[in-house]
Amino acid sequence: EVQLVESGGGLVQPGGSLRLSCAASGFTFSSYWMSWVRQAPGKGLEWVANIKQDGSEKYYVDSVKGRLTISRDNAKNSLYLQMSSLRAEDTAVYYCATGVGLDYWGQGTLVTVSS
Amino acid sequence: QSVLTQPPSVSAAPGQKVTISCSGSSSNIGNHYVSWYQQLPGTAPKLLIYENNKRPSGIPDRFSGSKSGTSATLGITGLQTGDEADYYCGTWDSSLSAWVFGGGTKLTVL
Repeated sequence: EVQLVESGGGLVQPGGSLRLSCAASGFTFSSYWMSWVRQAPGKGLEWVANIKQDGSEKYYVDSVKGRLTISRDNAKNSLYLQMSSLRAEDTAVYYCATGVGLDYWGQGTLVTVSS
Repeated sequence: QSVLTQPPSVSAAPGQKVTISCSGSSSNIGNHYVSWYQQLPGTAPKLLIYENNKRPSGIPDRFSGSKSGTSATLGITGLQTGDEADYYCGTWDSSLSAWVFGGGTKLTVL
C-alpha cells in the first residue's frame, strides 16, 4: 500500500524558513517523479513543484521560484521542500504526491505564515 | 485565475448523471493527458481518472473521463450523496513547464 506522510508544518513568521518532509513507503520511490501541491484555506489546489526520479530535473510554479526548493533522498525514500522568505500567501496545506499524474497523495501538513 | 476553466458548481439529484467540463488550450489539454481528482470534505485529493479516461483500481465505473481537443469532461452516473465533493482537473502545461489545475467544481447531490 502506497503511503505518503508529510511533516514539518507549523507557524512561522513572514520572512522565515521551514523544511517540509514527505516519507514514502509501499512503492519504489526512486522510480517516480514526486510533487508538492498546496491548498490555501478555502481555496483550490495549486501545484508547487516537482522533481525527477534522480533529482536532475526540477520545475516550480512562478510564485515560488527562488524561495522554495524541492529535493529528494532516494536512499531514505524521502521528499523535501525547503521554504524560505515565506509570505502570508504561502499559508496552505502542503501535500506531497507521486508520479507525473499525481497518482497518490499524502494527508498534508499545514503551514501558517503569520506574525 | 486558473489556467484550466471549470464551472464553480454543479448539482443533480441522487441517481442522476452529471458532467463537469474543463477547458484549456493547446499548451496543456490539447497536447497532454488530463487527470481528474476528487476531494471529499476535510480530506486529501484522490485520483479519479488518469490519461484522459482511465480509472485507477478501486474507482467505480460510474466515473468516466473524456477529452476532445482542448477540453475534457468528467462524467458521474448514478449519483450518490457520498459523491458530494470538490472535483479538479489537472494536466501538464508545456508553455509554463508546470502542472496546472482547474479552479475546482463543487458537486452538490440534492
